[in-house]
Amino acid sequence: DGGITQSPKYLFRKEGQNVTLSCEQNLNHDAMYWYRQDPGQGLRLIYYSQIVNDFQKGDIAEGYSVSREKKESFPLTVTSAQKNPTAFYLCASKSTGTGYNEQFFGPGTRLTVL
Amino acid sequence: SQQGEEDPQALSIQEGENATMNCSYKTSINNLQWYRQNSGRGLVHLILIRSNEREKHSGRLRVTLDTSKKSSSLLITASRAADTASYFCATDADSSYKLIFGSGTRLLVRP
Repeated sequence: DGGITQSPKYLFRKEGQNVTLSCEQNLNHDAMYWYRQDPGQGLRLIYYSQIVNDFQKGDIAEGYSVSREKKESFPLTVTSAQKNPTAFYLCASKSTGTGYNEQFFGPGTRLTVL
Repeated sequence: SQQGEEDPQALSIQEGENATMNCSYKTSINNLQWYRQNSGRGLVHLILIRSNEREKHSGRLRVTLDTSKKSSSLLITASRAADTASYFCATDADSSYKLIFGSGTRLLVRP
């Protein structure tokens, strides 16, 4: 099965704790993305990576960190510095070949801060 | 920053009717895409229209693009209850690597 997976599906965190969300893809895509979605809202870009060992901040990177040590994996850490982390987090990937514009999304992780 | 804004925010129609949702954006684009999201799930790509295209069809979907008005519309014909979802437009205004998503239209198709 080719695709993009996220785990866990649901995650609960106590205030002051860091948590890491997993994103894995076997589509051989170079580019990967993390988005945040709040209820009834669109997607906001947190971080993206165009290639292994390189990543860029998106529009709302404060309080988040990422790594891209492998092509297949792009984990997101929500740190205690993120003041309002309760949200739905979506990971996506995309081929960087010419003419490839579609992003493929994982099923999402719903994070709740208790 | 929000590049695309969808209109209406919510739409409720009867099964069999057509559903039209609109997207406006602010800056020049290379292409515009439409995505669908079922409740609590990831997004699924529906269709892409390039800036030099005016209309595109895919099954029951019809997308139009008016670059002079910086707007696009998505028409779903003969709607089904299974079409109930949120629909988002996305543009590549900043770069070919990034998409900027609108706030979405929530479509409810009543059986």
